[in-house]
Amino acid sequence: DTAVSQTPKYLVTQMGNDKSIKCEQNLGHDTMYWYKQDSKKFLKIMFSYNNKELIINETVPNRFSPKSPDKAHLNLHINSLELGDSAVYFCASSPQGTGMEKLFFGSGTQLSVL
Amino acid sequence: AQSVTQLGSHVSVSEGALVLLRCNYSSSVPPYLFWYVQYPNQGLQLLLKYTSAATLVKGINGFEAEFKKSETSFHLTKPSAHMSDAAEYFCAVKETGGFKTIFGAGTRLFVKA
Repeated sequence: DTAVSQTPKYLVTQMGNDKSIKCEQNLGHDTMYWYKQDSKKFLKIMFSYNNKELIINETVPNRFSPKSPDKAHLNLHINSLELGDSAVYFCASSPQGTGMEKLFFGSGTQLSVL
Repeated sequence: AQSVTQLGSHVSVSEGALVLLRCNYSSSVPPYLFWYVQYPNQGLQLLLKYTSAATLVKGINGFEAEFKKSETSFHLTKPSAHMSDAAEYFCAVKETGGFKTIFGAGTRLFVKA
């Protein structure tokens, strides 16, 4: 009954490969996010979708492409992986409202690019 | 633009001692402020949030935080640390009516026996 689930939990790959991370939430939330956490634990927002519409698109290389087939799913595809892409990627969701709503996080996908 | 600054990347306390984690925010409008906790190999979970209803906010696990507008601060405290409190703590700010939550750099709390 995990609220926000991400797959895979670990992803080890070679430079230059293309990979995807999947996220699903069963909370009925309208908004979903991708965050990147680097080795120093710094969390940076990458993208957000609200009802399948892209609403936040931070300064991220265009090798990263989010896709939201429906409001319960938000996937992240990464092309031509680089060493610097190694990080933990977190999916999160929240209900749409006044803005005081909290984020519900998945358990993260640890990406290691060799 | 809104931002948060957490003072001290690492804080170490003895079990039973007071925990104080510092957070200052910058915002041109009244913000929503949050404290999240991250245990090893897990996602973040909410400890507490400030939404202007009360300046002293109580959260889970005995934590509380006080919003001080004059100091632009939202420091997190717990009277008596427990070993299980050892984790990474993040202060965060959200635009009123917006979608973006911005996190501070995090403070790692160590609890010594």
